Amino acid sequence: KQEVTQIPAALSVPEGENLVLNCSFTDSAIYNLQWFRQDPGKGLTSLLLIQSSQREQTSGRLNASLDKSSGRSTLYIAASQPGDSATYLCAVRGNTGKLIFGQGTTLQVKP
Amino acid sequence: DTGVSQDPRHKITKRGQNVTFRCDPISEHNRLYWYRQTLGQGPEFLTYFQNEAQLEKSRLLSDRFSAERPKGSFSTLEIQRTEQGDSAMYLCASRSSGRADNEQYFGPGTRLTVT
Repeated sequence: KQEVTQIPAALSVPEGENLVLNCSFTDSAIYNLQWFRQDPGKGLTSLLLIQSSQREQTSGRLNASLDKSSGRSTLYIAASQPGDSATYLCAVRGNTGKLIFGQGTTLQVKP
Repeated sequence: DTGVSQDPRHKITKRGQNVTFRCDPISEHNRLYWYRQTLGQGPEFLTYFQNEAQLEKSRLLSDRFSAERPKGSFSTLEIQRTEQGDSAMYLCASRSSGRADNEQYFGPGTRLTVT
């Protein structure tokens, strides 16, 4: 059974810092891995999707990496801003298309 | 706006009442997924449809829960005899199965509060 774990559960950093969020999964047989952002009380916004054959994806200040063999992914946020404050979720996709999510990392960026 | 809509956005109901939620996916997407998210947790898979066929149900989906997708377009999720433990955000997502790399697009969710 696939399990996804995110560390840390919460993170508070001053504005301008670079930071890394971690995601690990137990079964390496995945189709892809997706990182989402969720603002309080809202739905999910997709940030980056990495295919199982890819090593990383970049979008603006965000960079996500994937090491399938070790069951790990990281989301790197450069030059953090207060507007980046949110919960970040990673999810892996299996063969039926359903997503298995981690518990999320709640990020607070202080001005 | 991802193109996936859900209605209502918020629902407050008393224990024991029935509730129904609706999801309208992106029109060309043949796969539709339902997830449930409780406070402080990541979303958990409930069920999914390919067109009108319900292909998988999680064990989280007790017999009080039923989902339909008539004609392969919108979907409804009904909860009968609601319990306080049903209080959660119910999320819907859709994607096209035509490509293996297609991502899921999520709606804004329906927040259910059972009093």
